[in-house]
Amino acid sequence: EDKVVQSPLSLVVHEGDTVTLNCSYEVTNFRSLLWYKQEKKAPTFLFMLTSSGIEKKSGRLSSILDKKELSSILNITATQTGDSAIYLCAVEASGNEKLTFGTGTRLTIIP
Amino acid sequence: EPEVTQTPSHQVTQMGQEVILRCVPISNHLYFYWYRQILGQKVEFLVSFYNNEISEKSEIFDDQFSVERPDGSNFTLKIRSTKLEDSAMYFCASSPPYVYEQYFGPGTRLTVT
Repeated sequence: EDKVVQSPLSLVVHEGDTVTLNCSYEVTNFRSLLWYKQEKKAPTFLFMLTSSGIEKKSGRLSSILDKKELSSILNITATQTGDSAIYLCAVEASGNEKLTFGTGTRLTIIP
Repeated sequence: EPEVTQTPSHQVTQMGQEVILRCVPISNHLYFYWYRQILGQKVEFLVSFYNNEISEKSEIFDDQFSVERPDGSNFTLKIRSTKLEDSAMYFCASSPPYVYEQYFGPGTRLTVT
């Protein structure tokens, strides 16, 4: 059974700090790892990482996939209060279409 | 920017009743999904749908559940004879061809009393 573990479960930092969120996975025939931001309701797509694209960056957010360690990190620099959310990591296996999610990291940014 | 939409945003129903949750995926997407999230728990896969048929389903997706694409735009999840434990947020998602990014709708909160 595919498994995704995220850490920490929650994180509280001050505005302007840099944070690193972690995701480790166990999946047979790994195809991709996805990061989502969940504020009030729907998970909003952030990044998808695959064997051919192990590093992604968008503004203050960046993510790296470590295929050897079966893990990924999501970095957020110069955090803002609008970054407060639950960040979800999910993996997808080849031949499957489902996403297997972790429990998420709840990030709170204090002004 | 195109979005997945879902209706209703909140549905309250009595145990044993049937409910239909509706989704309009992004127009050029070909793969459709339903997930659910019980309060405080992980997002869980229910079913995927492609080319007018179920392509994969989880153990949760038993005979109580069914999906349909009744026309070119809507994608529905039917839950027959709802149970208390069906109370959850139900998310619809879609993805375009050849790309595995799944885009989620805002969800329908189902409350079974």
